[in-house]
Amino acid sequence: GAGVSQSPRYKVAKRGQDVALRCDPISGHVSLFWYQQALGQGPEFLTYFQNEAQLDKSGLPSDRFFAERPEGSVSTLKIQRTQQEDSAVYLCASSLGGTGTEAFFGQGTRLTVV
Amino acid sequence: AQSVAQPEDQVNVAEGNPLTVKCTYSVSGNPYLFWYVQYPNRGLQFLLKYITGDNLVKGSYGFEAEFNKSQTSFHLKKPSALVSDSALYFCAVRNAGATNKLIFGTGTLLAVQP
Repeated sequence: GAGVSQSPRYKVAKRGQDVALRCDPISGHVSLFWYQQALGQGPEFLTYFQNEAQLDKSGLPSDRFFAERPEGSVSTLKIQRTQQEDSAVYLCASSLGGTGTEAFFGQGTRLTVV
Repeated sequence: AQSVAQPEDQVNVAEGNPLTVKCTYSVSGNPYLFWYVQYPNRGLQFLLKYITGDNLVKGSYGFEAEFNKSQTSFHLKKPSALVSDSALYFCAVRNAGATNKLIFGTGTLLAVQP
């Protein structure tokens, strides 16, 4: 497709359940980002990949959060033992990489932990 | 540390009037500055960016922004607002020398009245 695709669009998880969120970036985009957006807030950085290498994971809130991009294309954000405070919209973005290139965002996955 | 401030939670403007959405930033080194727009249940859409060069940058849908280094500001402007411009606007900054992650402001809701 032409844009960044995320699935599922909505996910309801019971507290303690594991979830996996998928991101298909724009073809050829080297850089991939995950952000978390709480209600009424701006997106907060979680992690960054350049191809398959995870170069920055400083924003992951706990060791329950794990991201991978094994072949340098599709990425998965996994949250183990979900808690209510994990409820948010998870946004994926990709860019060509390089100085000053803009990131293109997917529509996000809205996660609700009940 | 990098940060972005959007001092107005909401901006109200009448259709046809000029609009300004304010943004100030703090970053060590040269800033890369971005504006994104978010419509309900949609991902963020890129509007424009400042990397270097002319302080006035033009973007999508008739929007423009002016980089002011002395005031550390990057205000978004449009000469004549449309009702369809009503949305949530986010300013973001990246340190030119750091990883590619964006730091976002808390967002400003623009409401254009007919």
